[in-house]
Amino acid sequence: DQQVKQNSPSLSVQEGRISILNCDYTNSMFDYFLWYKKYPAEGPTFLISISSIKDKNEDGRFTVFLNKSAKHLSLHIVPSQPGDSAVYFCAATLSGGTYKYIFGTGTRLKVLA
Amino acid sequence: GAGVSQSPRYKVAKRGQDVALRCDPISGHVSLFWYQQALGQGPEFLTYFQNEAQLDKSGLPSDRFFAERPEGSVSTLKIQRTQQEDSAVYLCASSPRTGVGSNQPQHFGDGTRLSIL
Repeated sequence: DQQVKQNSPSLSVQEGRISILNCDYTNSMFDYFLWYKKYPAEGPTFLISISSIKDKNEDGRFTVFLNKSAKHLSLHIVPSQPGDSAVYFCAATLSGGTYKYIFGTGTRLKVLA
Repeated sequence: GAGVSQSPRYKVAKRGQDVALRCDPISGHVSLFWYQQALGQGPEFLTYFQNEAQLDKSGLPSDRFFAERPEGSVSTLKIQRTQQEDSAVYLCASSPRTGVGSNQPQHFGDGTRLSIL
């Protein structure tokens, strides 16, 4: 049972344009969501997070949107840069639990110069 | 170092051998997590420690998997009688503390890539 889903395995975007990565979840009890970025042969690196009490969080070029009614979140990268090319993982957690993360399967973003 | 350190980076073992994977969390981090990442998948939770206490081991796939953190710092994940399906990247993560409202993101190491022949 995949509780966190990233249905697009890959995405290509031109440099300077917006990248939109999507994530859906099934467990309405999740109350904290994160995006991680992963380069080959490295561990995931924290990018941005959002609490379920918010619907938007912004950090520089990165914005995460949360739509609780649709159980959907998205990561927007504007403008996209070649260095953003990586695999992006969406993760969710229950702050009342042991804080383990439930990850999606990832989306490989390629930003074309 | 400043980050989570894992060793070895790569481990090749024959089926049936025992392996031990080490994780050095960020100094002072109370919480430590182990994840398993199969090829083309996202990391999957294995087990969680708060200091030396193993509070959740619900993700360990079988009793061949064992983790410990005896002094609340370094952790070791041991896999006994390895099988081919154990081949994966094993990631360790740490965070400063857990608790309602803390929401401290987990910091990941670069992982150990385990290949079972």
